[in-house]
Amino acid sequence: GENVEQHPSTLSVQEGDSAVIKCTYSDSASNYFPWYKQELGKRPQLIIDIRSNVGEKKDQRIAVTLNKTAKHFSLHITETQPEDSAVYFCAPGGGSEKLVFGKGTKLTVNP
Amino acid sequence: DTGVSQNPRHKITKRGQNVTFRCDPISEHNRLYWYRQTLGQGPEFLTYFQNEAQLEKSRLLSDRFSAERPKGSFSTLEIQRTEQGDSAMYLCASSLALGDEKLFFGSGTQLSVL
Repeated sequence: GENVEQHPSTLSVQEGDSAVIKCTYSDSASNYFPWYKQELGKRPQLIIDIRSNVGEKKDQRIAVTLNKTAKHFSLHITETQPEDSAVYFCAPGGGSEKLVFGKGTKLTVNP
Repeated sequence: DTGVSQNPRHKITKRGQNVTFRCDPISEHNRLYWYRQTLGQGPEFLTYFQNEAQLEKSRLLSDRFSAERPKGSFSTLEIQRTEQGDSAMYLCASSLALGDEKLFFGSGTQLSVL
């Protein structure tokens, strides 16, 4: 099965700084790489995703980069704001396979 | 509201009792997933359906857990003879179809086993 690891497990930044979270996976058949955001007491929500035929995708202040050879992908958040504070999960998978979630990274953005 | 709906939101039960949760996915979504989440952890896969067919069940899932999706619409998750270790948030998610893996989650059912 897929082994998924996220680093770091916690991240604290000052408002306006950038944040980067890395996800490594083991299954070379994975072809879909999403990031989910879960605010305290709420459901996980998809914020950005990428497929294996693309190396990078950007949506305003967030971006995802993929290194399929090294089997890792990263979430980049620029100009962080207090409302970015949440737990972020990577969940590689795709095709006929279910998504396997990492253990999460708790991001705190300090005003 | 056209999102994923789960009932009940909270369930408190005594050890040894049976419980059943319901999930209503987004109407046009063919795939339905059940995940379990404990504090400080990511969602853990339990099982998923393509229409009414249960395609995969986690090896970690004991025989006390069973799920159904009888008409390919709503789904139920039953836990028999509950144990304290079953206490968790049970999340349901749906996606449009094979090849579209975007998951839309419900708000979950918080189970507490006393």
